[in-house]
Amino acid sequence: GDSVTQMEGPVTLSEEAFLTINCTYTATGYPSLFWYVQYPGEGLQLLLKATKADDKGSNKGFEATYRKETTSFHLEKGSVQVSDSAVYFCALSGPYNNNDMRFGAGTRLTVKP
Amino acid sequence: GAVVSQHPSWVICKSGTSVKIECRSLDFQATTMFWYRQFPKQSLMLMATSNEGSKATYEQGVEKDKFLINHASLTLSTLTVTSAHPEDSSFYICSAGQGNDEQYFGPGTRLTVT
Repeated sequence: GDSVTQMEGPVTLSEEAFLTINCTYTATGYPSLFWYVQYPGEGLQLLLKATKADDKGSNKGFEATYRKETTSFHLEKGSVQVSDSAVYFCALSGPYNNNDMRFGAGTRLTVKP
Repeated sequence: GAVVSQHPSWVICKSGTSVKIECRSLDFQATTMFWYRQFPKQSLMLMATSNEGSKATYEQGVEKDKFLINHASLTLSTLTVTSAHPEDSSFYICSAGQGNDEQYFGPGTRLTVT
């Protein structure tokens, strides 16, 4: 079945460092890909998405490009802030799995001042 | 737009009792609602998918008689944990969809069974 493999954390960075969180997927057809963020004690918030190959999703300085050839959707940010500390989940959804959302394991990011 | 609420946000109950969690889409009609369970420091695991007016579809390994799901309207779905036990303690999250690939997530409900 469809699945997502995500770089395990935790990841600890200093403020203004470059962030990459790797995500690869296995899916039937062409799913939509998502990054969600979960702040402590809160529910998931959509960070960005991409619906087809070569699409780039971006939001709040975060970016991810849908790479069909490598089945990847890596999350990047050029300069992280303390407020970016959270858990990040990569996910996919598509018509072949009834639009069920399949999540990666999550990566906990801590940014230190 | 696309706001989903859950009630209660946290609940403590005694072993053997039942607990109902509500999930509402506040500003849109949700054709499909999803229920997830999240253990501490782990990912979300899909429990079941429900469409308005029909029976929920449960994921393998999820007991449908223990986790009762009702999707009575296009804006409300409920999850009832029946005869709760301490191992049912978890963070339960619902999401709502409109038939496309995107889901909107509620803030979650933390259940503690003593």
